[in-house]
Amino acid sequence: SQTIHQWPATLVQPVGSPLSLECTVEGTSNPNLYWYRQAAGRGLQLLFYSVGIGQISSEVPQNLSASRPQDRQFILSSKKLLLSDSGFYLCAWSVPPSGGLTDTQYFGPGTRLTVL
Amino acid sequence: AQSVTQLGSHVSVSEGALVLLRCNYSSSVPPYLFWYVQYPNQGLQLLLKYTSAATLVKGINGFEAEFKKSETSFHLTKPSAHMSDAAEYFCAVSKNNFNKFYFGSGTKLNVKP
Repeated sequence: SQTIHQWPATLVQPVGSPLSLECTVEGTSNPNLYWYRQAAGRGLQLLFYSVGIGQISSEVPQNLSASRPQDRQFILSSKKLLLSDSGFYLCAWSVPPSGGLTDTQYFGPGTRLTVL
Repeated sequence: AQSVTQLGSHVSVSEGALVLLRCNYSSSVPPYLFWYVQYPNQGLQLLLKYTSAATLVKGINGFEAEFKKSETSFHLTKPSAHMSDAAEYFCAVSKNNFNKFYFGSGTKLNVKP
């Protein structure tokens, strides 16, 4: 069966420090991968998605970047964190769509990031 | 234009009462539709999905949803609320753009004893 891991589970970082969040998927190959953010009291915001190694689509211009160095690894990074980067970060995967529509996205447990 | 609209950011019901969470979508072609549940500080868990088969979809934990094309709706229901249903619920749509979901803003369900 497939599983998705995220780490760390929680992170407290000072403003201006770098960030690296990691997401890995097991039990599937060539998945689509996604990074979402939930700010306090707000819904899900899609940040990045990837359909293959080295292929990253950015949804929202911001202080963050994403990379996919391996098929089942997705990394969210920042060179200098801002206060506004605080939030709950979720990674998800799905089977690549056939016929045009993406089927179920499966979510990881999330990382709670607090920037002070 | 919003792809998914969830009416009511907060819904409160008594234990044992009917749960109705509303979701309307905008799409020129039949989409795939999903309901997810999120408990505090956890990821999202799939409750149920509609992928153009039966219009009445049954999910986990006694939830179900009905796809109504004429109303562009996919409301989530449960006949009798349980305390453990207290969580945030998200409706999502997959449109014909190959790779993305569009999520609603979420509805927090409170269940009163």
